[in-house]
Amino acid sequence: EAGVAQSPRYKIIEKRQSVAFWCNPISGHATLYWYQQILGQGPKLLIQFQNNGVVDDSQLPKDRFSAERLKGVDSTLKIQPAKLEDSAVYLCASSLEPGLAEQFFGPGTRLTVL
Amino acid sequence: AQKITQTQPGMFVQEKEAVTLDCTYDTSDQSYGLFWYKQPSSGEMIFLIYQGSYDEQNATEGRYSLNFQKARKSANLVISASQLGDSAMYFCAMREPSGANSKLTFGKGITLSVRP
Repeated sequence: EAGVAQSPRYKIIEKRQSVAFWCNPISGHATLYWYQQILGQGPKLLIQFQNNGVVDDSQLPKDRFSAERLKGVDSTLKIQPAKLEDSAVYLCASSLEPGLAEQFFGPGTRLTVL
Repeated sequence: AQKITQTQPGMFVQEKEAVTLDCTYDTSDQSYGLFWYKQPSSGEMIFLIYQGSYDEQNATEGRYSLNFQKARKSANLVISASQLGDSAMYFCAMREPSGANSKLTFGKGITLSVRP
């Protein structure tokens, strides 16, 4: 069974530029999560999708971050414009269903904002 | 208040010895879940072990066991017979509340280094 795929693995941009990350969850997993992990900290949930609907985006900085999951499969997370403090690893995870199941994580995208 | 507390500094253990990684949590929910994840330098979060709040027995998965003390709100991870490949960051996490709106909250993590 293929795991959660993410791309790119690394991205370096200047502040005020835009960037997008892509995630392909495990086949059949209805729930998809985006986390932000700042160096030295644990992952923090940004947004949770159930199929193509948003379940929780309470910690997503909506003035600059956006995410979508069209067709309930792949998802993209966008930052526009980026700030220095957005430098982090962005992890995507998926699970069969929310609440009960273990989350499976992708390898992450390491973003550096200069 | 922090929901998950991991206060140990970097931990060191000799190969083949056992090590305990501490985790305390804070919740007012009766139904919750506790997880431990391993994050090697490659960055991927690897699920290790899960303990439900209603589980009466401590969870075990191979060399990993979870020492669950509900009254003390602690969920320590015990790794037996440490291997060099166990060197990584370890995160304790709690899922609450139960159901569709549940959220996973992570601690800050502990760095484990296994010495040959």
